[in-house]
Amino acid sequence: NAGVTQTPKFRVLKTGQSMTLLCAQDMNHEYMYWYRQDPGMGLRLIHYSVGEGTTAKGEVPDGYNVSRLKKQNFLLGLESAAPSQTSVYFCASSPDRDYTGELFFGEGSRLTVL
Amino acid sequence: DAKTTQPTSMDCAEGRAANLPCNHSTISGNEYVYWYRQIHSQGPQYIIHGLKNNETNEMASLIITEDRKSSTLILPHATLRDTAVYYCIVRAGGSARQLTFGSGTQLTVLP
Repeated sequence: NAGVTQTPKFRVLKTGQSMTLLCAQDMNHEYMYWYRQDPGMGLRLIHYSVGEGTTAKGEVPDGYNVSRLKKQNFLLGLESAAPSQTSVYFCASSPDRDYTGELFFGEGSRLTVL
Repeated sequence: DAKTTQPTSMDCAEGRAANLPCNHSTISGNEYVYWYRQIHSQGPQYIIHGLKNNETNEMASLIITEDRKSSTLILPHATLRDTAVYYCIVRAGGSARQLTFGSGTQLTVLP
């Protein structure tokens, strides 16, 4: 199993450009999440999904859109990138169980907006 | 969700036990304590979680006080590879949904 895979791992954008980050998991997990992490800070939840076809806003959703068309994939889109969106983005997934606290994280996608 | 307070940084000698404290004085009865760590900007890694009783797994032990207002994560024999930021998180229920990561504790294991 590959676990949680994020692509691309690095990207440089110019202000106003758009892009999509792809998260794929092969563990048949119901829940998926997108976090961002700025230098020296903890992770902040952007959007999450509790199942195929459903998404919900997290703590910092502005400027981002998401889609969960397939259970195994969770896409994060930036329609018009801004320098404030320079960050490391982490995707995570978890099973639909209430007795575990484990999130499985990808290795991160480092985005720079110039 | 209850907020947590952790020291910003700690050092530990290699081979010794690392004891990382966490204060969660406003914790509710249905809230679990989770610990994650993040090694050098990699994706966070789950360590352990618990509700009331002390817990132990292959990575660490979690000691929760009787009043549940604080807890301690114990790495019994710290190695250089344990150098990381450790996050203590409190979350209602057993669900992993919407875990909120604070700033954590930077643990540095010294040779």
